[in-house]
Amino acid sequence: DQQVKQNSPSLSVQEGRISILNCDYTNSMFDYFLWYKKYPAEGPTFLISISSIKDKNEDGRFTVFLNKSAKHLSLHIVPSQPGDSAVYFCAASAKGGANNLFFGTGTRLTVIP
Amino acid sequence: ETGVTQTPRHLVMGMTNKKSLKCEQHLGHNAMYWYKQSAKKPLELMFVYNFKEQTENNSVPSRFSPECPNSSHLFLHLHTLQPEDSALYLCASSQDWGVRTYNSPLHFGNGTRLTVT
Repeated sequence: DQQVKQNSPSLSVQEGRISILNCDYTNSMFDYFLWYKKYPAEGPTFLISISSIKDKNEDGRFTVFLNKSAKHLSLHIVPSQPGDSAVYFCAASAKGGANNLFFGTGTRLTVIP
Repeated sequence: ETGVTQTPRHLVMGMTNKKSLKCEQHLGHNAMYWYKQSAKKPLELMFVYNFKEQTENNSVPSRFSPECPNSSHLFLHLHTLQPEDSALYLCASSQDWGVRTYNSPLHFGNGTRLTVT
């Protein structure tokens, strides 16, 4: 059974607007969460992370929110740009490991110019 | 060249063939990984090497055989594969492996697209 779920396979957003990508997890032992971004024909690249001691982490246009009680995290991109069009993977790990990761299936974001 | 480099980018092989995937990292990292990405499935961790020693083997069939001669190179030897093994195989590296490695995210290569006929 999948421990990390991204229930929206795709999302389309107008350029300049906010993109919100969602992720749910089931394992209460997860304490570190990451977002990776993947362009076609390339490997995933690390985007942003958050530890369970925080509920928000911001890096430029990207903000990740964590709701531990709901076992839910989201990635906000503001403002969205056409170059943000990619597949976004949510990942989680236990004991703060950045590398023993459980990944979601990804959400394909399309930013329309 | 920098980052994580995987060769070949594409591979088509028959079920009786033997082939190898190669990965090289130029980041000075200590840990290397093989992941498998099948269509509409999450990335699955296959193997982890930390300082050349295999630390994880996630119940991968023996027809996949990893080799890590040093911290910069990782191979995945393939033999008698099945059509369901067709997938994107991703190599990754990280500075460290293990718990509380918050500042050690994975760096992925561009993958090898494998088709087994």
